[in-house]
Amino acid sequence: DAMVIQNPRYQVTQFGKPVTLSCSQTLNHNVMYWYQQKSSQAPKLLFHYYDKDFNNEADTPDNFQSRRPNTSFCFLDIRSPGLGDAAMYLCATGNDRGLGQPQHFGDGTRLSIL
Amino acid sequence: GQQVMQIPQYQHVQEGEDFTTYCNSSTTLSNIQWYKQRPGGHPVFLIQLVKSGEVKKQKRLTFQFGEAKKNSSLHITATQTTDVGTYFCAAQNYGGATNKLIFGTGTLLAVQP
Repeated sequence: DAMVIQNPRYQVTQFGKPVTLSCSQTLNHNVMYWYQQKSSQAPKLLFHYYDKDFNNEADTPDNFQSRRPNTSFCFLDIRSPGLGDAAMYLCATGNDRGLGQPQHFGDGTRLSIL
Repeated sequence: GQQVMQIPQYQHVQEGEDFTTYCNSSTTLSNIQWYKQRPGGHPVFLIQLVKSGEVKKQKRLTFQFGEAKKNSSLHITATQTTDVGTYFCAAQNYGGATNKLIFGTGTLLAVQP
């Protein structure tokens, strides 16, 4: 089945130690999104790629970076994780710029900071 | 910036009771989508509303888009334990950007058997 896959499901890292989360998709969607979701809150968009065009949200900290080497894969890099970065990170895909296109979410990676 | 608020924040019902969540935007919307997130899960797309005053039904779920396209509601008739989860509305505005969603604050539904 076509899907959005995130690895790992759970990630534990140390304070200040860089960490990378990965997302892959078989939907062949040209837009990929990264969201941060903290407990009892709505998903918060960090950035997204339309094809290779990177679009950062104004309030996304510089600590968060992303790479999209090809259509299928997208990575979230957190350069120096702080305790406040502990959260669920959701990857989602969407099809083109058109309105009315649902987003398809992966299962998420839950990040813990020691 | 644009804000999308939902009320209530939390609703606890007995199984079989009805449930409604309301979504309000500070600006006029191009469309609105609804997502359900089960506990420990990820958001799953339910439906999209585009037209002013639009009403759509999915079995026990009824979705409405306001006439002014600034608010929406989701009504569940005769809730079941499988309805448990957080319901998010998500707004889209067409402005040349990608189909970026602004998620509402969400309503957590608890259903007691």
